[in-house]
Amino acid sequence: GENVEQHPSTLSVQEGDSAVIKCTYSDSASNYFPWYKQELGKRPQLIIDIRSNVGEKKDQRIAVTLNKTAKHFSLHITETQPEDSAVYFCAASSPGNTGKLIFGQGTTLQVKP
Amino acid sequence: GAGVSQSPSNKVTEKGKDVELRCDPISGHTALYWYRQSLGQGLEFLIYFQGNSAPDKSGLPSDRFSAERTGGSVSTLTIQRTQQEDSAVYLCASSLYGEQFFGPGTRLTVL
Repeated sequence: GENVEQHPSTLSVQEGDSAVIKCTYSDSASNYFPWYKQELGKRPQLIIDIRSNVGEKKDQRIAVTLNKTAKHFSLHITETQPEDSAVYFCAASSPGNTGKLIFGQGTTLQVKP
Repeated sequence: GAGVSQSPSNKVTEKGKDVELRCDPISGHTALYWYRQSLGQGLEFLIYFQGNSAPDKSGLPSDRFSAERTGGSVSTLTIQRTQQEDSAVYLCASSLYGEQFFGPGTRLTVL
């Protein structure tokens, strides 16, 4: 089955710097790649997603890039702010258009003021 | 509109007891998912319901775990003969297309 690896597990940056989180997936048939943010004690919430027919997508300070050949995708956060501190999860759709997602293990991002 | 709700928010039980966790998805969402999140860990897929199709139970860790979805809406996750390793936050999510909307979770503590 599909497997998603996420790196790094923890990331600490200074406010204003950029942060990059990377994920790899195993099944080339996956076609949907969302990113979720989970603040401490709260539920995960979608922040950005990308489908396999697109190579890059941006939304203000966040962007996601997808390399289908290499089977990896990345989250980029620019001009980081303390409120970006959270756990970020990548996910890949399970092949077969079932709607099922396989999640990475998460990255704890700390933005130091 | 109302989001995904779960009850109870917290559940403390004794080892060996059965527990039921409830999820109310967003109205109209055809897909419903259950995940388990242990402290500081990722989202472990448990089970997935899509419309009237047979559920995908491939993530259930043992036969002590089961789930139902009645009338295509509310779902109940049942854990029988709870063990201490079952302690975790159990998250429910629902979706219509793509994005999964999560509930606040039920924190289960097995003493």
